[in-house]
Amino acid sequence: DAKTTQPNSMESNEEEPVHLPCNHSTISGTDYIHWYRQLPSQGPEYVIHGLTSNVNNRMASLAIAEDRKSSTLILHRATLRDAAVYYCILRDVSTAGNMLTFGGGTRLMVKP
Amino acid sequence: DAGVIQSPRHEVTEMGQEVTLRCKPISGHDYLFWYRQTMMRGLELLIYFNNNVPIDDSGMPEDRFSAKMPNASFSTLKIQPSEPRDSAVYFCASSLQGRGNYGYTFGSGTRLTVV
Repeated sequence: DAKTTQPNSMESNEEEPVHLPCNHSTISGTDYIHWYRQLPSQGPEYVIHGLTSNVNNRMASLAIAEDRKSSTLILHRATLRDAAVYYCILRDVSTAGNMLTFGGGTRLMVKP
Repeated sequence: DAGVIQSPRHEVTEMGQEVTLRCKPISGHDYLFWYRQTMMRGLELLIYFNNNVPIDDSGMPEDRFSAKMPNASFSTLKIQPSEPRDSAVYFCASSLQGRGNYGYTFGSGTRLTVV
């Protein structure tokens, strides 16, 4: 998998939007951008993924830069339950069985 | 669906003992993955299976570790003999088709402590 770069930690206030950045300057044309999060004492949880266009689901939105070299996970209204480590991962869509390789992620802290 | 089910949730064992971790993937998923998480090394992939066949075990730390998938609904990760440095949280995950446009579903993990 191509590498991604994320800030180690971020802080947010409850009920405010959060923008979690991810840089992936070496992304290839067949790499999907995946986001997972890991709540305390739980396994990682799928959040969202995309290829070129922005994506929305009930958990979050994913904004992908036009050149695809960066992306941003957007939590529209952070809650205390959103405090977790967020991982940005690239997966090659052309390769079956391509495994998820986790980096260090961004630890999001949400203040009441 | 009950999700990916792992057992036990916690395991404490003495050094030198055999440890077996269990995983039941989501029905219909054709890929199964075993990960290990420690503070020092983060989440590491140990091994993965496709249609019950081991595909890549390059992440297995050493011969003391072995994994099997006798059928589509069950997998085990065995450590024999266990050592204190094996203490970690072990996660199992399953996925459909394994290509980049499908997500993984993780279990809640097994916290292993070897004393």
